Amino acid sequence: AQTVTQSQPEMSVQEAETVTLSCTYDTSESDYYLFWYKQPPSRQMILVIRQEAYKQQNATENRFSVNFQKAAKSFSLKISDSQLGDAAMYFCAYKGGSEKLVFGKGMKLTVNP
Amino acid sequence: KAGVTQTPRYLIKTRGQQVTLSCSPISGHRSVSWYQQTPGQGLQFLFEYFSETQRNKGNFPGRFSGRQFSNSRSEMNVSTLELGDSALYLCASSSTGTARTDTQYFGPGTRLTVL
Repeated sequence: AQTVTQSQPEMSVQEAETVTLSCTYDTSESDYYLFWYKQPPSRQMILVIRQEAYKQQNATENRFSVNFQKAAKSFSLKISDSQLGDAAMYFCAYKGGSEKLVFGKGMKLTVNP
Repeated sequence: KAGVTQTPRYLIKTRGQQVTLSCSPISGHRSVSWYQQTPGQGLQFLFEYFSETQRNKGNFPGRFSGRQFSNSRSEMNVSTLELGDSALYLCASSSTGTARTDTQYFGPGTRLTVL
């Protein structure tokens, strides 16, 4: 079974600074997708970024980018120029041969003004 | 396009009762998945429906059931509620149902409290 691990339960960053959230996963599949979702206090789960395992190029979405290391099964999220609105729970998720998403435990990000 | 909608947003029930939660996917999406989120267990997959058929199921007791209608709307039912069923129930929809390529988009959730 696939597993996703987010080892840091909490992090904080100063506004305008850069922060990196770590995620590792375990799978025997070769074709899969990885996602970062953000869950603010409103509890709405919002897609931040996704990465296709067969693509070597790291995905980017504006201030958000990933460092995908397939051999190491590592998938970290970098947030540049952090904003107060980035404060939320961040979940790393895996999707392989089944439709279900496998989530990590999440990480709470605090942005300090 | 309207997003995924879930009703009701909040629900309070007592032990032994049953509850039905509803989810309307994004227009054109045919796959609907349900997840339970609790502080202790995190996000856990309940089941997934595609074209009115349950295609995947997580490790939950038979008290948890669901269905999907021809318009892709889905309902989830929990019978004989237990205190441990208190959770945020999230619904997610995706378009084609092709497992790897789809991205799931989530609704705002239904907060269920069992007293």
